[in-house]
Amino acid sequence: GENVEQHPSTLSVQEGDSAVIKCTYSDSASNYFPWYKQELGKGPQLIIDIRSNVGEKKDQRIAVTLNKTAKHFSLHITETQPEDSAVYFCAARRIQGAQKLVFGQGTRLTINP
Amino acid sequence: DTEVTQTPKHLVMGMTNKKSLKCEQHMGHRAMYWYKQKAKKPPELMFVYSYEKLSINESVPSRFSPECPNSSLLNLHLHALQPEDSALYLCASSQPRNSGANVLTFGAGSRLTVL
Repeated sequence: GENVEQHPSTLSVQEGDSAVIKCTYSDSASNYFPWYKQELGKGPQLIIDIRSNVGEKKDQRIAVTLNKTAKHFSLHITETQPEDSAVYFCAARRIQGAQKLVFGQGTRLTINP
Repeated sequence: DTEVTQTPKHLVMGMTNKKSLKCEQHMGHRAMYWYKQKAKKPPELMFVYSYEKLSINESVPSRFSPECPNSSLLNLHLHALQPEDSALYLCASSQPRNSGANVLTFGAGSRLTVL
């Protein structure tokens, strides 16, 4: 089955700097890669996702890149703000065949003012 | 505000109690999920309902009993739980699992403490 590794487990950056979180996956047939943000006391919320037919996707200060050959994908947050502090989870699954979503272990991101 | 509503937000129960967690969504989603999340861990899938029928049970102990009364509601009945079952229980919904990218919308969760 799919296995997703996520690094780092904790990340602390100065406000205004960039943050990068990396994930690798094992199943070469996986073709859907979402990122979830979980704030304290809340459920995970989708912030961006990418499918395997695209190498990069941006949404304002957030971007995700995908390298299918190396089987890794990354979340990039630019101009970080205090409200970006949260736990971020990457995930992977195959769209076809109703495979379950497999999550990485999470990254606790802290933005220091 | 989340479009998946979970009640109660907090629940404390003894090992002999029977309680239920409830989840409601009005997005027209036809797949609903229960996840369990322990502290500092990712969500773990427990059950999936698709079109009100149980489609996946991830080998969850029988002391957890799911129910999907209609397309908007999902319950998790709890009985004879153990202290190690204490966790955040998350409900999620999506379009059916075979209809595309299957984006999950999560509720805020019910924090369960078993004494």
